[in-house]
Amino acid sequence: AQRVTQPEKLLSVFKGAPVELKCNYSYSGSPELFWYVQYSRQRLQLLLRHISRESIKGFTADLNKGETSFHLKKPFAQEEDSAMYYCALRGSGYSTLTFGKGTMLLVSP
Amino acid sequence: DVKVTQSSRYLVKRTGEKVFLECVQDMDHENMFWYRQDPGLGLRLIYFSYDVKMKEKGDIPEGYSVSREKKERFSLILESASTNQTSMYLCASSRRGDRGFFGPGTRLTVL
Repeated sequence: AQRVTQPEKLLSVFKGAPVELKCNYSYSGSPELFWYVQYSRQRLQLLLRHISRESIKGFTADLNKGETSFHLKKPFAQEEDSAMYYCALRGSGYSTLTFGKGTMLLVSP
Repeated sequence: DVKVTQSSRYLVKRTGEKVFLECVQDMDHENMFWYRQDPGLGLRLIYFSYDVKMKEKGDIPEGYSVSREKKERFSLILESASTNQTSMYLCASSRRGDRGFFGPGTRLTVL
């Protein structure tokens, strides 16, 4: 069985502070990991995926197989980063995504 | 740009009614999915389809059925709506092995 855990329901930071949204997973094979973001009144959209190894809107995430983690990081949070963030996993050979419960990020001025 | 559309943004139905939620994608994607999104529970997969007329149960299929008669359209059916099916319903589509694209969601309220 595959599982994604996001331990924080809410993360509140001030503008300019570093941000780390935690994601841990459970999967026996080689997973593909994603971060999706949903801004207020917008549809869910892909933020980044681990195989791309890219930085989007200043966010990065590194897959740590030893710790089974895929934490999302940004060195300096902006108010426009306020949104709901979901970590998701796709098992090898599967089409479906398993999502975590989400973390709401609030960035205050 | 991929477009996934859902027939309604808001829907209000009564307990016991049959409800149809429609989803259409315009990028010839093989895979289509229905999720429900609830606060504190994240997204949970109801059903998915990897080809026309093919369907697979997700994590919470009870009380739902689906139909995929054409590649671009995936319908979610609530045979007899109940109040615990009040939720945000998200449709998504993808190519095999590729990222998922989501629709805007349908907020269903069952009274």
